[in-house]
Amino acid sequence: DADVTQTPRNRITKTGKRIMLECSQTKGHDRMYWYRQDPGLGLRLIYYSFDVKDINKGEISDGYSVSRQAQAKFSLSLESAIPNQTALYFCATSDFLASTDTQYFGPGTRLTVL
Amino acid sequence: AQSVSQHNHHVILSEAASLELGCNYSYGGTVNLFWYVQYPGQHLQLLLKYFSGDPLVKGIKGFEAEFIKSKFSFNLRKPSVQWSDTAEYFCAVKDTDKLIFGTGTRLQVFP
Repeated sequence: DADVTQTPRNRITKTGKRIMLECSQTKGHDRMYWYRQDPGLGLRLIYYSFDVKDINKGEISDGYSVSRQAQAKFSLSLESAIPNQTALYFCATSDFLASTDTQYFGPGTRLTVL
Repeated sequence: AQSVSQHNHHVILSEAASLELGCNYSYGGTVNLFWYVQYPGQHLQLLLKYFSGDPLVKGIKGFEAEFIKSKFSFNLRKPSVQWSDTAEYFCAVKDTDKLIFGTGTRLQVFP
């Protein structure tokens, strides 16, 4: 499903570097989310946004920041990457008007911090 | 806040075996419940969801789940698994405006 895209798909970086992960969607959804997935820990919510002017912290927001540049774009930044931020990152969207809370996920970005 | 428990971390089955994966959430009231699947190397996809009505929910690929309010459970079932069902399965519950995911169950199906 190409409705939610993430770039890059893979990234290797060094400790202390600033990294931006980007998410775009063509589904027309107003809500967007960033999660990280770690083995044995499932998916944990980093940040979420219900519209362009609305940004909310999730369960594990420390060390991350986000920007909702437009309804269709939601970027996640690691200001100074550290090794324990090595993980698989997923963006997701949902449609408030649909009232089903079903989230649609992007393909993920595998980030390695050395 | 809601939480979700998936007690089966890794399940190994042979093809044609029956499957049941456990999911429990922390407190009652009105709940919206989901099962997502992640095939190897792919993103999460919705298998099925429960919002109200019939507590037995049917999803894609022959999966079903039963909402049992008295047990705070939403277990996933399939009568006969296939090799292609090898994947990681996540249960999720809606908490206010977001979803809370369980830690996932890795299912391996051998031919």
